[in-house]
Amino acid sequence: NAGVTQTPKFQVLKTGQSMTLQCAQDMNHEYMSWYRQDPGMGLRLIHYSVGAGITDQGEVPNGYNVSRSTTEDFPLRLLSAAPSQTSVYFCATRDRTNSPLHFGNGTRLTVT
Amino acid sequence: GENVEQHPSTLSVQEGDSAVIKCTYSDSASNYFPWYKQELGKGPQLIIDIRSNVGEKKDQRIAVTLNKTAKHFSLHITETQPEDSAVYFCAASPSGNTPLVFGKGTRLSVIA
Repeated sequence: NAGVTQTPKFQVLKTGQSMTLQCAQDMNHEYMSWYRQDPGMGLRLIHYSVGAGITDQGEVPNGYNVSRSTTEDFPLRLLSAAPSQTSVYFCATRDRTNSPLHFGNGTRLTVT
Repeated sequence: GENVEQHPSTLSVQEGDSAVIKCTYSDSASNYFPWYKQELGKGPQLIIDIRSNVGEKKDQRIAVTLNKTAKHFSLHITETQPEDSAVYFCAASPSGNTPLVFGKGTRLSVIA
């Protein structure tokens, strides 16, 4: 039981490049979400999904796309990376309302 | 929407002393209040949570109190140890299947 797996752990991009951050979970959780963590800003929600085929925007969605075709996977896409997207990205899941979030170990992204 | 304020942003204590971190929330409908601990290079992990029908909850050296009238909740760590050094986040969950809203975090340093 791996829990929440995020890949890659580290990534360096040039401005304008695209990439996909992967998140996979083996706990059969319906709810999945993406946060970014910046110094002094805490954890800010980017996008979330309450089940396969359903996605919604969080606090800071601009510049990011998501899709949820399966229960297990929730990829985060950057279509044209910008230096402002330099951050640590966390995927988090839970099995029902008001239950604990389970976090992956993060992807550290640098955009130059 | 919900807004969570967390204080202090940094806290240093001597080993063996107690540490207290305080959070306030704005949405009186919020009913779930978890606390997460984040160690360097890892994702946040749940350490304790409390629901709105309970005023206090304790787990060994960690306790959380909730004052619904004042809309604030606090984390208390007694007999602090160096391994308690980490970043701590509070969060609040509005009603329904809505995402957690996090405070900006407190960096706790326990000095041996």
